[in-house]
Amino acid sequence: RKEVEQDPGPFNVPEGATVAFNCTYSNSASQSFFWYRQDCRKEPKLLMSVYSSGNEDGRFTAQLNRASQYISLLIRDSKLSDSATYLCVVNEVGDYKLSFGAGTTVTVRA
Amino acid sequence: SAVISQKPSRDICQRGTSLTIQCQVDSQVTMMFWYRQQPGQSLTLIATANQGSEATYESGFVIDKFPISRPNLTFSTLTVSNMSPEDSSIYLCSVVQVPGNEQFFGPGTRLTVL
Repeated sequence: RKEVEQDPGPFNVPEGATVAFNCTYSNSASQSFFWYRQDCRKEPKLLMSVYSSGNEDGRFTAQLNRASQYISLLIRDSKLSDSATYLCVVNEVGDYKLSFGAGTTVTVRA
Repeated sequence: SAVISQKPSRDICQRGTSLTIQCQVDSQVTMMFWYRQQPGQSLTLIATANQGSEATYESGFVIDKFPISRPNLTFSTLTVSNMSPEDSSIYLCSVVQVPGNEQFFGPGTRLTVL
């Protein structure tokens, strides 16, 4: 079983739509959670950290459910520039080694 | 966040040769890592580059194939030795920015082995 699993998509949505997707992790000792964004042929870039209470950064909202071991990302009012692959990333306490999901592809169309 | 550069940005190499990839950071960082991203896949950790000592390799990766140097807190190299087409991949270095536990990636080195 993979440590981090994501729905690969693709999610094809019109501009202005809301899109949401989840990621599950298998290691209950995981303590830090992140969403990274990766554009085609580019390196992953940190989108946001995910906190236990949930957090919002502009149009992006991240939630963490420790009991069910899943993380979610919601994008409101989608823009064309949101088209990318979103990587769910976790690591354990005291260990900076990251485990990556395979990514969820989002395509926003005009 | 730290500014990370990698050299070369891309290369095409012949089977059986070796390539050394450099990673330079504009500030001192404690934690530095090397990842691989094979075509169509996500990132896999190769090793932790330890300053002044041998790297710590993940399962499936060995020092003979991927020797790593980390002479100081701003620089590291990864060598891909005796390359085969299966080594064609993007190789990325990353650093941890403290406080915050957040990790940032270099632009990657795109390697094609013929």
